[in-house]
Amino acid sequence: AQSVTQPDIHITVSEGASLELRCNYSYGATPYLFWYVQSPGQGLQLLLKYFSGDTLVQGIKGFEAEFKRSQSSFNLRKPSVHWSDAAEYFCAVGSNAGKSTFGDGTTLTVKP
Amino acid sequence: SAVISQKPSRDICQRGTSLTIQCQVDSQVTMMFWYRQQPGQSLTLIATANQGSEATYESGFVIDKFPISRPNLTFSTLTVSNMSPEDSSIYLCSVRDSGGGTDTQYFGPGTRLTVL
Repeated sequence: AQSVTQPDIHITVSEGASLELRCNYSYGATPYLFWYVQSPGQGLQLLLKYFSGDTLVQGIKGFEAEFKRSQSSFNLRKPSVHWSDAAEYFCAVGSNAGKSTFGDGTTLTVKP
Repeated sequence: SAVISQKPSRDICQRGTSLTIQCQVDSQVTMMFWYRQQPGQSLTLIATANQGSEATYESGFVIDKFPISRPNLTFSTLTVSNMSPEDSSIYLCSVRDSGGGTDTQYFGPGTRLTVL
């Protein structure tokens, strides 16, 4: 069975600082990996995805993530956080059958 | 990309009643899914809506409680039956778009349900 672990429930960073959100997955084959962002009262927005190829994936809003098979990780990074990045972030793993399993999410707070 | 709309966007319902949520996609998609997000929690897959056949339910979810219809490739409904306060959640429709060499999952804006 596939599963996702986001070890950090809540992270606080200062505006302008770098950010890394952790994601570890369990999956029997090559995974489809996603990061989503959910702002308060908003729907889910896809930040980036990995299926194959280059293990460093670029996404929207200046985010990137690196797939590390040896560590079963897909951590999300951003070099300089903006106040508007404050939101809930979800990592998800999907199968080629089209179903995704989500992590519990990480809440990002940005200090001025 | 697929654009998904849901109706209603929110509702407040009485215990014991049922609510049907509609999901409309602006293009034909093979795979449609229904998710639930309980307050302060992550998303949980309820079922896969199959066009022309019965939905496929995940463990812990049953057809009698969450009947699903999918009459065509752009539309689906989820009914939350005999509601209780524990059903208060955001219900999200999702589609998998694997056309054009991409494979992306899109989510609707959600239906926020409160059961009193």
